[in-house]
Amino acid sequence: DAGVTQSPTHLIKTRGQHVTLRCSPISGHKSVSWYQQVLGQGPQFIFQYYEKEERGRGNFPDRFSARQFPNYSSELNVNALLLGDSALYLCASSLAGAQPQHFGDGTRLSIL
Amino acid sequence: SQQGEEDPQALSIQEGENATMNCSYKTSINNLQWYRQNSGRGLVHLILIRSNEREKHSGRLRVTLDTSKKSSSLLITASRAADTASYFCATKPPGKLIFGQGTTLQVKP
Repeated sequence: DAGVTQSPTHLIKTRGQHVTLRCSPISGHKSVSWYQQVLGQGPQFIFQYYEKEERGRGNFPDRFSARQFPNYSSELNVNALLLGDSALYLCASSLAGAQPQHFGDGTRLSIL
Repeated sequence: SQQGEEDPQALSIQEGENATMNCSYKTSINNLQWYRQNSGRGLVHLILIRSNEREKHSGRLRVTLDTSKKSSSLLITASRAADTASYFCATKPPGKLIFGQGTTLQVKP
């Protein structure tokens, strides 16, 4: 069975641009969470979606938004990119919100 | 802000030795989880210990939890070069995982 897949794997943007990252959860998983991992640090929670509804939001500015589609895939959008948004963005899925999460390999976003 | 803090930040051992890493957290928890991250990859769930458990084993992994001290430890026995990775503890308030900064483990062959 396919694991969590994220696209693209790498992305280079410039300051002020907008980016959309995509995540396909494991088949049957209805909960998707997004994390930002800056180099040398642990992942920081951004959003959780369950059954297409936002169930949690971390301490990130409104430039960050996300949504979950009827097939449970998800998009993370970041507007007005800043240099500090350079990071590995991880998506994780689980059967339900409280279950252990399965992570994708992330999207490496570099802002120039 | 990070909920958990792992200690040490970095650990280097020889293959076959045991590796112990610790995690401290700040608020009450329902459970605590340990994850492994190989360089440039996503995180892999290793083990979950509930707040009413004191010790749990999974293969070469042993996790302890002391809720009175708000701390947990992960022991990897008979380490292998393939265990080289970063290890994170994470607590689970409903709806999100809060990770520490991780322990980077290097196992030398």
